[in-house]
Amino acid sequence: QSVLTQPPSVSGAPGQRVTISCTGSSSNIGADFDVHWYQRLPGTAPKLLIYANIFRPSGVPDRFSGSKSGTSASLAITGLQAEDEADYYCQSYDSSLSVWVFGGGTKLTVL
Amino acid sequence: QLQLQESGPGLVMPSETVSLTCSVSGGSVSSIIHYWGWIRQARGKGLEWIGSVYYNGSSFSTPSLKSRITISVDTSKNQFSLRLSSVTAADTGFYYCVRHVTDIVGAVFGDYYMDAWGRGATVTVSS
Repeated sequence: QSVLTQPPSVSGAPGQRVTISCTGSSSNIGADFDVHWYQRLPGTAPKLLIYANIFRPSGVPDRFSGSKSGTSASLAITGLQAEDEADYYCQSYDSSLSVWVFGGGTKLTVL
Repeated sequence: QLQLQESGPGLVMPSETVSLTCSVSGGSVSSIIHYWGWIRQARGKGLEWIGSVYYNGSSFSTPSLKSRITISVDTSKNQFSLRLSSVTAADTGFYYCVRHVTDIVGAVFGDYYMDAWGRGATVTVSS
């Protein structure tokens, strides 16, 4: 059971917009710790996709965006492409547990 | 271009100690603005932070594994390492080394995120 809750799977057709939610609690996201997102393409290591809730590292397309409100965060992907098919993980810090925590991961399928 | 590369034995016997090393190129473990850490994905589980180390050797680890973990840094070899003792089948999984960074001045531990990951190393606990 992950501390941060994500839907196990989402799907969308090419060109569509999908969102992935990440729900935490008052000891992590709600405690004003930032949320970060990682993309793991099949057979590769996770890659930083969004950091500090809304920022994209150099090289990440602006089709990817992040947001945070209260005890939740979201990753939005617009103009869905086949190469976006991957696992997506959110991550934050939990002050009660004193650990970095991850969501269980969401598998994105491009139909 | 920063690169992290894990190395380890692959297979380890139950109750023994597994040692993993992360070799860093294109960056330095002596950096004062980064932490260096380990993440794992045990079989059938999600990503789990194991522990991290600073250039001066100060280390932190998840409470659930704290008694079994040693994380160290070797600045002369530009490497950092993880030792996990008394392993069981539950420790079988994929282990990643990572670099932590933050943009926040005066940051606390929780402000860091993982901006670089190694390709990962498989650890199988089996007799």
